[in-house]
Amino acid sequence: DQQVKQNSPSLSVQEGRISILNCDYTNSMFDYFLWYKKYPAEGPTFLISISSIKDKNEDGRFTVFLNKSAKHLSLHIVPSQPGDSAVYFCAASSRGMDSSYKLIFGSGTRLLVRP
Amino acid sequence: DTGVSQDPRHKITKRGQNVTFRCDPISEHNRLYWYRQTLGQGPEFLTYFQNEAQLEKSRLLSDRFSAERPKGSFSTLEIQRTEQGDSAMYLCASSPGQGRETQYFGPGTRLLVL
Repeated sequence: DQQVKQNSPSLSVQEGRISILNCDYTNSMFDYFLWYKKYPAEGPTFLISISSIKDKNEDGRFTVFLNKSAKHLSLHIVPSQPGDSAVYFCAASSRGMDSSYKLIFGSGTRLLVRP
Repeated sequence: DTGVSQDPRHKITKRGQNVTFRCDPISEHNRLYWYRQTLGQGPEFLTYFQNEAQLEKSRLLSDRFSAERPKGSFSTLEIQRTEQGDSAMYLCASSPGQGRETQYFGPGTRLLVL
């Protein structure tokens, strides 16, 4: 059972336009959500996070929106740049036993920003 | 550079051999996690350490897998009697250990079992 889903395996956007990446989750116990960016042959790089007590968090060109009632979050990148081309992973966590905050990841969305 | 480091970056082995990977977390990070990522999938949780104590293990971690974190610093992940299905990217992440927080990942070790 996949608790975090990224239903779009790929997205292509023109440079300068907005990129919107979506993520859905099923576990209502999740209370912290993160987006990571990954280049081939590298580990995931943290981008932005949001706690369940908020519905929006912004950091420069990156904004994450959380809709708890819909169990949906999205990452907006404005304006998109060619260097943003990578695989983006949505991840969720909740407090587990012994203070484990293990991350549950989606399957990723490959973003291509065309010059 | 004070990020998470992993060694080796690549490992090719024959089926049935044992392999060991090392992870050095960010200095003074108390929590350490191991994940595994296969092609087309997101990382999947394997195990979690709080200092030197291994506090959670995934069902993915079969008896052939063992992880340690002596003295609460670096960690090792050993796979015994490797199988072709073990081929994956093994990722290590660490976090400070103060509630809900960001995990920072290393570059990963890519394992290929022939």
